[in-house]
Amino acid sequence: QKEVEQNSGPLSVPEGAIASLNCTYSDRGSQSFFWYRQYSGKSPELIMSIYSNGDKEDGRFTAQLNKASQYVSLLIRDSQPSDSATYLCAVRHNTDKLIFGTGTRLQVFP
Amino acid sequence: EAGVVQSPRYKIIEKKQPVAFWCNPISGHNTLYWYRQNLGQGPELLIRYENEEAVDDSQLPKDRFSAERLKGVDSTLKIQPAELGDSAVYLCASSPAGGYHEQYFGPGTRLTVT
Repeated sequence: QKEVEQNSGPLSVPEGAIASLNCTYSDRGSQSFFWYRQYSGKSPELIMSIYSNGDKEDGRFTAQLNKASQYVSLLIRDSQPSDSATYLCAVRHNTDKLIFGTGTRLQVFP
Repeated sequence: EAGVVQSPRYKIIEKKQPVAFWCNPISGHNTLYWYRQNLGQGPELLIRYENEEAVDDSQLPKDRFSAERLKGVDSTLKIQPAELGDSAVYLCASSPAGGYHEQYFGPGTRLTVT
């Protein structure tokens, strides 16, 4: 079992729709969770962090965390073609190491 | 605020040659990380520095990789000799302190070993 698992996609959604990206993790002791966006040929860009169970909203982005289910998700409202990228889920391991998933590729079509 | 700076952005070398990458973290960030990202994968940590001290180098292939962070600011990652399998993007990241904080990545160095 991978420590951080994501569906590789691609996830295709129409412009204006809600994109839902999911991530599961294996280390029950994990405390910090991050979402990074990575455009093709570019480096990861931090877009959200979440530390407590529940929802955290920032503009069109909402991160959701459920520690009991070891599940974290990212919702993107009103998706735009410019949101097309790979979204990396990252989990801070109990050794302080940040473990990344392989990413989900999102495609937003006009 | 200036972001993490890395150089070079691209490097092509022949196998068995040495190569070095340089990183300047965000001003005031005590923690510096070197990651390697292979195509279609997430970044994987090679080494983490707290100021000048390497606090996690468990994933660094020490037979050919070395790193240093003199004076607790800039850092250099070296590979000698390079192998074909070292072709990847090498990313530097920094955070204010420790692994508890958000990490910010530089643009990366794309290494191609032929």
